[in-house]
Amino acid sequence: EAQVTQNPRYLITVTGKKLTVTCSQNMNHEYMSWYRQDPGLGLRQIYYSMNVEVTDKGDVPEGYKVSRKEKRNFPLILESPSPNQTSLYFCASSPRTGVEETQYFGPGTRLLVL
Amino acid sequence: ILNVEQSPQSLHVQEGDSTNFTCSFPSSNFYALHWYRWETAKSPEALFVMTLNGDEKKKGRISATLNTKEGYSYLYIKGSQPEDSATYLCAFRSGGSYIPTFGRGTSLIVHP
Repeated sequence: EAQVTQNPRYLITVTGKKLTVTCSQNMNHEYMSWYRQDPGLGLRQIYYSMNVEVTDKGDVPEGYKVSRKEKRNFPLILESPSPNQTSLYFCASSPRTGVEETQYFGPGTRLLVL
Repeated sequence: ILNVEQSPQSLHVQEGDSTNFTCSFPSSNFYALHWYRWETAKSPEALFVMTLNGDEKKKGRISATLNTKEGYSYLYIKGSQPEDSATYLCAFRSGGSYIPTFGRGTSLIVHP
């Protein structure tokens, strides 16, 4: 089944404790991205990657890191989480970045930073 | 950051009613406009991608139109059903940008 998977789905952590949220897609998509969803706001892009070893900042990259060592994986790293990073996170992928390309979203990761 | 507005914020309708809502976006440097459907506890799913002024797309009872000159898109649902209850998101991409800007969504609740 073609899908985007994320792990973990739910995470409670404390301020400053490094964490990684994994994202994997099995559709051989070139483009992958991370979003956060906060109440009253639209989805905001954190980072995106157009292909292996090519990453760039989205609208809200502060406090996050990403890597794209393999085409299928795009982990999101919070080196020192803070309470303002409590949010619902989505990973997404699309075949390319062309005008017709829509994104396929993962199931979401709900993060609470205490 | 670009301004993408969706209205209304929420909508309650009765089963069988037809409804529509709006996505407004900058009218300059248009590249593409996406509509997504997001059910509670699930992830957003693509409905339409619209690229040309005057585009009309249809999927079953759901259709969408696009006016890039005035910067808006309408989503229509004909004969709403309870299973149409969801949040409908639009995402705007401007030329030269790989970063889509999402609206806050319209939450639709269809009462049986």
